Amino acid sequence: DAKTTQPNSMESNEEEPVHLPCNHSTISGTDYIHWYRQLPSQGPEYVIHGLTSNVNNRMASLAIAEDRKSSTLILHRATLRDAAVYYCIREYGNKLVFGAGTILRVKS
Amino acid sequence: EPEVTQTPSHQVTQMGQEVILRCVPISNHLYFYWYRQILGQKVEFLVSFYNNEISEKSEIFDDQFSVERPDGSNFTLKIRSTKLEDSAMYFCASRGQGTGELFFGEGSRLTVL
Repeated sequence: DAKTTQPNSMESNEEEPVHLPCNHSTISGTDYIHWYRQLPSQGPEYVIHGLTSNVNNRMASLAIAEDRKSSTLILHRATLRDAAVYYCIREYGNKLVFGAGTILRVKS
Repeated sequence: EPEVTQTPSHQVTQMGQEVILRCVPISNHLYFYWYRQILGQKVEFLVSFYNNEISEKSEIFDDQFSVERPDGSNFTLKIRSTKLEDSAMYFCASRGQGTGELFFGEGSRLTVL
């Protein structure tokens, strides 16, 4: 049981920001939130992770709600290469359990 | 950039045969994982391995499956007697101590006929 809820699919225009939402209402205080993505025919790729504070890296930003029941992955300028399945994952124990993810389509 | 490598990239086998999938994790990593993905479905956790023993396994990881780290560099997944439903992409991943990121390999595609 992945214990996260994401929209099945989203669409974005190239060069525009994308906000990918995730609900994790049963999260416990020590569970990290991870985001991975999977491009077609490739293995999952790390995007970002965080616990309580908002996080930024070269790929994306992660905004975590104050109550930690939801988070949003932000791609600041979508490119065609960002078209992928994006997974929001709660880490518990020492494992990541993937859900179905959000299919992101990017239009040129 | 360091990477996780997996071999073979594709293996075709007959039902009932034994298969060994190999992975070379990133050299200083301590945690190792196998996941699988049946075509068109989600990525499923199989097993995690730390300190030379299984730390957690899923319901999928039954007695037909085993993992080993035989020589300090390779990490293998063995399927003793393959079934048709074992056909999937198998991903190895590794993780360093105290870091959040799992590094995944490109996967080994297993086709059971």
